Amino acid sequence: SQKIEQNSEALNIQEGKTATLTCNYTNYSPAYLQWYRQDPGRGPVFLLLIRENEKEKRKERLKVTFDTTLKQSLFHITASQPADSATYLCALDIGSSASKIIFGSGTRLSIRP
Amino acid sequence: DTGVSQNPRHKITKRGQNVTFRCDPISEHNRLYWYRQTLGQGPEFLTYFQNEAQLEKSRLLSDRFSAERPKGSFSTLEIQRTEQGDSAMYLCASSSDRQNSPLHFGNGTRLTVT
Repeated sequence: SQKIEQNSEALNIQEGKTATLTCNYTNYSPAYLQWYRQDPGRGPVFLLLIRENEKEKRKERLKVTFDTTLKQSLFHITASQPADSATYLCALDIGSSASKIIFGSGTRLSIRP
Repeated sequence: DTGVSQNPRHKITKRGQNVTFRCDPISEHNRLYWYRQTLGQGPEFLTYFQNEAQLEKSRLLSDRFSAERPKGSFSTLEIQRTEQGDSAMYLCASSSDRQNSPLHFGNGTRLTVT
């Protein structure tokens, strides 16, 4: 069955450093992959989408890479700030005839001042 | 654009009771999704609507769960004969049907079954 794995442990990073989160998937070849941010008690918020033919995507301090051979996406936050502390989720659409977007378990990121 | 709205925000019910949640998506969005999320886990896919048609449903969803989107606008999720294991956050999301459109989530309904 389709499986998405993210960093199983919470990530603690010193402010100003680069945080790198991983997302690995099996048994599928998605056309694109998405990253979301979720704060406690809130719904996830979309951050970035990367297509299978794109190696890298950037948005301000965020960078996403997508390696379809390794079946892996990396999510980087440069110059991290305490306000970046949240849970980050990766997602992909495994539907064939209809949309079915599934999520990984998420990585909780804490940025300490 | 007022965003995705979910009601109620919190629901406490006794085991065996039926509960119904409502989701109002972003008005121009054709696609609507329901997810369930427990502590420390990512959202778990439950079902997907394209307009009023329910096109995908998780095999994990028991017969006690039913969802509707009668006019292709708002949606309801009903859980019959609730069990303690149903306690979770129920999230609704909507998107347009343009290719690669992201999901817009509501802030969920937190269900506690006692």
